[in-house]
Amino acid sequence: AQTVTQSQPEMSVQEAETVTLSCTYDTSESDYYLFWYKQPPSRQMILVIRQEAYKQQNATENRFSVNFQKAAKSFSLKISDSQLGDAAMYFCAYRSVGFGNEKLTFGTGTRLTIIP
Amino acid sequence: GAGVSQSPRYKVTKRGQDVALRCDPISGHVSLYWYRQALGQGPEFLTYFNYEAQQDKSGLPNDRFSAERPEGSISTLTIQRTEQRDSAMYRCASSLRSGGTSYNEQFFGPGTRLTVL
Repeated sequence: AQTVTQSQPEMSVQEAETVTLSCTYDTSESDYYLFWYKQPPSRQMILVIRQEAYKQQNATENRFSVNFQKAAKSFSLKISDSQLGDAAMYFCAYRSVGFGNEKLTFGTGTRLTIIP
Repeated sequence: GAGVSQSPRYKVTKRGQDVALRCDPISGHVSLYWYRQALGQGPEFLTYFNYEAQQDKSGLPNDRFSAERPEGSISTLTIQRTEQRDSAMYRCASSLRSGGTSYNEQFFGPGTRLTVL
């Protein structure tokens, strides 16, 4: 079974600065997806960014980028130019590729606080 | 179009009562998933459907939990004889179709917060 570990329960960053959230995972599969989800105080689940394991290039979405290290099974999220609206719980998640393996496996989350 | 909807948004029940939680997926979405999120934790997979067929129920914690999707659209998660440990946010998600080797985003509903007294 796959596991996802987020070792930082809480992080804080000054507004406009850069912060990196860590995630490691364990799997024996060679192809899979990795995700970062944001859960603001409204408790919605919002997809921030996705990475396919077969792609060597790190995914980027505006101010959000990842550092995907497949051999190390590490998947960190970098938020640049942090904004007050980035304050939320961030969850790292894993999904297998292939029919019958649709479920997402989540980490325990990192609560990000933005300091004005 | 409308997103995934869930009802009720909040449910308070007494221990021992049965509860039914409803999920209405995005129109045309084939796959539907149920997750449970305890306070301070990440969502945990419960079960999922393709059309009306329940493909994986490995995450259901015990036989008090069941789910159905009889017409391949709306789904109901039923918890019988509720216990205090069942208190959590229950989330539903849907995706356009089952993945295979292609990616299909799961869109999450707002959740039902269940409190068992």
